[in-house]
Amino acid sequence: DTGVSQDPRHKITKRGQNVTFRCDPISEHNRLYWYRQTLGQGPEFLTYFQNEAQLEKSRLLSDRFSAERPKGSFSTLEIQRTEQGDSAMYLCASSLARDNTEAFFGQGTRLTVV
Amino acid sequence: GEDVEQSLFLSVREGDSSVINCTYTDSSSTYLYWYKQEPGAGLQLLTYIFSNMDMKQDQRLTVLLNKKDKHLSLRIADTQTGDSAIYFCAETHNTDKLIFGTGTRLQVFP
Repeated sequence: DTGVSQDPRHKITKRGQNVTFRCDPISEHNRLYWYRQTLGQGPEFLTYFQNEAQLEKSRLLSDRFSAERPKGSFSTLEIQRTEQGDSAMYLCASSLARDNTEAFFGQGTRLTVV
Repeated sequence: GEDVEQSLFLSVREGDSSVINCTYTDSSSTYLYWYKQEPGAGLQLLTYIFSNMDMKQDQRLTVLLNKKDKHLSLRIADTQTGDSAIYFCAETHNTDKLIFGTGTRLQVFP
């Protein structure tokens, strides 16, 4: 296991199209997080899963965004009807347990909406 | 409230020490972190400190926490060109989600 992997690394899409990103966490990590990072800013929390349950969603996650983790392993983040403001780096992280202080991040998916 | 602030830029000479500062507002934070991000890469956890500690040292890294002033700092001793990156402080409390600062870009020159 080489760490958290995200696919694709880059995505260019036209405004109004739907996109889906995938995150494969570190094996056996039961927590999985999605963050969004825009240029010059720190990452902002979007949502979080423990196993297959989505436990928290940020107000940043509009109804055009949906995330799933159907079997408690990989996760997908879908953005419907993309807007130019959705252009950002989408980061996924995973961690093992409540007392484990280390969240490991993937390299991210850079989305550009044209 | 949730707000983490950092200075935007720091430039140091190779071999000198770097000190990156961070202030936060949530007094209920339990853990505070420092992450490093290199161009085109994800975030790498450098170190963290529990809120009941004042200091933590890990090789060239020293973290100082002033809980009264809600001030966190990261000192990098003997800074190298490979340390050039953006450094983010982050906090977490009950929900485990990380609240990040805006990042400090560290530039190391020879």
